[in-house]
Amino acid sequence: NAGVTQTPKFQVLKTGQSMTLQCAQDMNHEYMSWYRQDPGMGLRLIHYSVGAGITDQGEVPNGYNVSRSTTEDFPLRLLSAAPSQTSVYFCASSYGAGGGNEQFFGPGTRLTVL
Amino acid sequence: AQSVTQLDSQVPVFEEAPVELRCNYSSSVSVYLFWYVQYPNQGLQLLLKYLSGSTLVKGINGFEAEFNKSQTSFHLRKPSVHISDTAEYFCAVSASYNNNDMRFGAGTRLTVKP
Repeated sequence: NAGVTQTPKFQVLKTGQSMTLQCAQDMNHEYMSWYRQDPGMGLRLIHYSVGAGITDQGEVPNGYNVSRSTTEDFPLRLLSAAPSQTSVYFCASSYGAGGGNEQFFGPGTRLTVL
Repeated sequence: AQSVTQLDSQVPVFEEAPVELRCNYSSSVSVYLFWYVQYPNQGLQLLLKYLSGSTLVKGINGFEAEFNKSQTSFHLRKPSVHISDTAEYFCAVSASYNNNDMRFGAGTRLTVKP
């Protein structure tokens, strides 16, 4: 199993550009989520999905869109990048949405917005 | 919502010395507690978790943590650290009923010196 994969590993954008961060998992997990990691702030939840066709907002959703058309994929879209979105982005998945389920994390995407 | 405070941003320690990484949480509902480790340029991996039962939880790589409800703490300990334990450690708390509101601490960078 590849686990949780993310592409690209690194990306530099100019303010106003759009892009999609890809995330895929091959563990048949129902629950998937996106976090951003900023220095001194830990990880903060952006959006999550409890199954195909179902998404919802997390703690810091502004400026990001998601969709979940399949169980495996959960892309994160930045429609108009801003310097405040410079961060490291992690995708995670777990078997279910229950609080005790271990989340498996991808290797991250380091995004810089100039 | 839940919140987590990691009391030390950096902990330097010599190899084979014991270490304790401190974590306090607050919540108005029943919670589950986690410690994750992040090695350089990698995603997060679960070290251990407390769901219920014995308050002393053993994890991978010789780490253990003790849940103290009265002090709302979940400190991570290892009796003898190795160079390979150098990493960033995150304490996290989620509501017992879902992962949708998992909150992470700001992280503690453990540096093990020879």
